[in-house]
Amino acid sequence: DTGVSQDPRHKITKRGQNVTFRCDPISEHNRLYWYRQTLGQGPEFLTYFQNEAQLEKSRLLSDRFSAERPKGSFSTLEIQRTEQGDSAMYLCASSSQYEQYFGPGTRLTVT
Amino acid sequence: RKEVEQDPGPFNVPEGATVAFNCTYSNSASQSFFWYRQDCRKEPKLLMSVYSSGNEDGRFTAQLNRASQYISLLIRDSKLSDSATYLCVVNMGDSSYKLIFGSGTRLLVRP
Repeated sequence: DTGVSQDPRHKITKRGQNVTFRCDPISEHNRLYWYRQTLGQGPEFLTYFQNEAQLEKSRLLSDRFSAERPKGSFSTLEIQRTEQGDSAMYLCASSSQYEQYFGPGTRLTVT
Repeated sequence: RKEVEQDPGPFNVPEGATVAFNCTYSNSASQSFFWYRQDCRKEPKLLMSVYSSGNEDGRFTAQLNRASQYISLLIRDSKLSDSATYLCVVNMGDSSYKLIFGSGTRLLVRP
């Protein structure tokens, strides 16, 4: 399967813990995006990378969130000191131009 | 006002019916337009890009009216497998190409 992959698929954590998610994009895609989706809503943009450069961050991305894409390949999204409001599906997408293809997402539950 | 607005539905139709979804967007600078399909607890999957001239893919037809900032999706001869949430999506019109999603329209096709 040469699509976008994400790991883990599910994560349950206690409030205050740190979590890290990984995304492996389609190999020839230079753009990588992170979105967050809560129940009943469409995905909301968090941040994006072109190659290894993080070019934009949403105001939704508080100081507790950090993302990296070393060497322009896979990306990680870390949430520090998780809060119950961080519970959501975290989606990664990659693209070479306009059309974005999504991974299966990481469903985070903060208890 | 939301940047992308859709009727949340649900649309409950019998197999074989024709159903139409509408969507309006507020950013006149948007350049690319899409319909994504999302099954329950899965990632959004690109259904089709929407072009100014309108485009068709099998039973699916998409239309774009830039002057009215309006996008539509028509599904003919509905199948049970078409049951899903349909997300209207536009890009921001800047160099990020980040996507702005509507909240989705839920379709239920009954036997």
